Amino acid sequence: DTEVTQTPKHLVMGMTNKKSLKCEQHMGHRAMYWYKQKAKKPPELMFVYSYEKLSINESVPSRFSPECPNSSLLNLHLHALQPEDSALYLCASSRGGPMLHEQYFGPGTRLTVT
Amino acid sequence: DAKTTQPTSMDCAEGRAANLPCNHSTISGNEYVYWYRQIHSQGPQYIIHGLKNNETNEMASLIITEDRKSSTLILPHATLRDTAVYYCIVRLIYNQGGKLIFGQGTELSVKP
Repeated sequence: DTEVTQTPKHLVMGMTNKKSLKCEQHMGHRAMYWYKQKAKKPPELMFVYSYEKLSINESVPSRFSPECPNSSLLNLHLHALQPEDSALYLCASSRGGPMLHEQYFGPGTRLTVT
Repeated sequence: DAKTTQPTSMDCAEGRAANLPCNHSTISGNEYVYWYRQIHSQGPQYIIHGLKNNETNEMASLIITEDRKSSTLILPHATLRDTAVYYCIVRLIYNQGGKLIFGQGTELSVKP
């Protein structure tokens, strides 16, 4: 199984809502990532979890709160978002550790903030 | 990580080889060249990577020049399903953070 799944596929939320994006993999990978992708732009890294610990936060605003409850799951909690946060949110996973490993991406959650 | 330069867009006829160039003139000796692609409305997909030797897998071939300042991704027999944005990325060998820094990529259109 080389699949990363993300739910929901689409999400529309108001600026006062609280919602969560979910990501799951069953490849035994120990590194998981959140990327944000605006239309016609390349993906931009937001967070990296390595062995369930947050290892990189790319200066992401606190209205985005990641969580890694176990090695297979990654959540992104959203609160008080702005319309400019509308984007495709991509989750990825890799074998982890200090060496390079290819990342496997999910299909993304398309988020619209109204 | 070293920066890369790619053409914004390219066209290729179906069934022909697609050759996608990437310039990484500031690459250092401990940096790999990676290629990913992103088909419309999907997540990026890993294609291939290499350090200094040419590499081939079931999807593509990667040709890296001897001075390592540029590389070419070759899709030997392009199909319509290969239409995508192709990203060339240079990464440190011991990249503990796992960071992937995507450039603007090349939009490849495969035409019938």
